[in-house]
Amino acid sequence: DTEVTQTPKHLVMGMTNKKSLKCEQHMGHRAMYWYKQKAKKPPELMFVYSYEKLSINESVPSRFSPECPNSSLLNLHLHALQPEDSALYLCASSQDFPRGETEAFFGQGTRLTVV
Amino acid sequence: GQQLNQSPQSMFIQEGEDVSMNCTSSSIFNTWLWYKQDPGEGPVLLIALYKAGELTSNGRLTAQFGITRKDSFLNISASIPSDVGIYFCAGYNAGNNRKLIWGLGTSLAVNP
Repeated sequence: DTEVTQTPKHLVMGMTNKKSLKCEQHMGHRAMYWYKQKAKKPPELMFVYSYEKLSINESVPSRFSPECPNSSLLNLHLHALQPEDSALYLCASSQDFPRGETEAFFGQGTRLTVV
Repeated sequence: GQQLNQSPQSMFIQEGEDVSMNCTSSSIFNTWLWYKQDPGEGPVLLIALYKAGELTSNGRLTAQFGITRKDSFLNISASIPSDVGIYFCAGYNAGNNRKLIWGLGTSLAVNP
């Protein structure tokens, strides 16, 4: 199984809503990542978890709150988002970190629209 | 943040033609990666290069790690309609805070 599974595939939320994005992998990887991708731009790294601990937070606003309940799961909790937060949110995983970003498997992404 | 210079920005070609795209940087890297992203999907790693001068193939795709360590190219031979998508290069150097640095992508359209 070389899959990273993200749910939901699409999400529309209002600016006062609270929602969560979920990511799961069963490859035994110990590093997991959240990226944000705007249309026709490369992915931008948001967070890195290594061995279930937050290793990198790329100065992401607190309205995005990551959580790694165990080594297979990664969540991104969303609260009070702005329309400019609309984007494709990608999860990825790799064997470990560092260098892990160079060997990461990406999920299909969640297309988020904030209205 | 830092980005790579990737060119061309877009290409529109006929099926069967060869394609070439490249990335350049002012910094040196010790890893170069090439990804393809289909609409509505995550990026998929096509080729990884780890050594200056390395030339690696994956089917109809060939990529090279420039000897200066500041550039890389990707060639696609005999393009087919399913080659359509956005191709991204990315460079890695542990000195860059352990982060990948991405190109802005080359959008490829193939006319059958």
